[in-house]
Amino acid sequence: DAGVTQSPTHLIKTRGQQVTLRCSPKSGHDTVSWYQQALGQGPQFIFQYYEEEERQRGNFPDRFSGHQFPNYSSELNVNALLLGDSALYLCASSRGANTGELFFGEGSRLTVL
Amino acid sequence: GIQVEQSPPDLILQEGANSTLRCNFSDSVNNLQWFHQNPWGQLINLFYIPSGTKQNGRLSATTVATERYSLLYISSSQTTDSGVYFCAVEASTAGNKLTFGGGTRVLVKP
Repeated sequence: DAGVTQSPTHLIKTRGQQVTLRCSPKSGHDTVSWYQQALGQGPQFIFQYYEEEERQRGNFPDRFSGHQFPNYSSELNVNALLLGDSALYLCASSRGANTGELFFGEGSRLTVL
Repeated sequence: GIQVEQSPPDLILQEGANSTLRCNFSDSVNNLQWFHQNPWGQLINLFYIPSGTKQNGRLSATTVATERYSLLYISSSQTTDSGVYFCAVEASTAGNKLTFGGGTRVLVKP
């Protein structure tokens, strides 16, 4: 039973560039959420995708966007990167969009120079 | 939004010691999870415990939802227990969105 998988694991970008991160949910899960974790802090909710639509959004600017595909996998896109976007980006999956246990991937560590 | 506070922020233990980590939250919740974040950043599920008590080996957790707190117990700690422990809650109106506490950083010394 494959868990949540994310790619890439590490990447380095420069200010102003764009980045795409990818996530495949745990088998049997249909909901994907994205979190940003800055160094020394707890993860912060970015948004959630269910049935290929953004269902909830946290306090993040429009530079952060996403997509969910028919196979439930998801992408997180960040445009016009800022130094402050350097963080660990975590993907979580769950069954259904209402409530239930979340499972996290290993994360993608983004460094913006 | 809901507030989640964890205490203590840092904890240093001698191997073999027992400890209790606390999580307080400000509103009613549908879901509460405890995680251990390993050095590579992955959040490892410890407990899914919106209420009641659960045990898994040397770890156990209790959530008293009516009093808005949860406790994580670590018994006979080992060096592999080192890392950051997070409590995360889903507010009753949040719809499967977790709000994390600031974490408790645990160091177990041999």
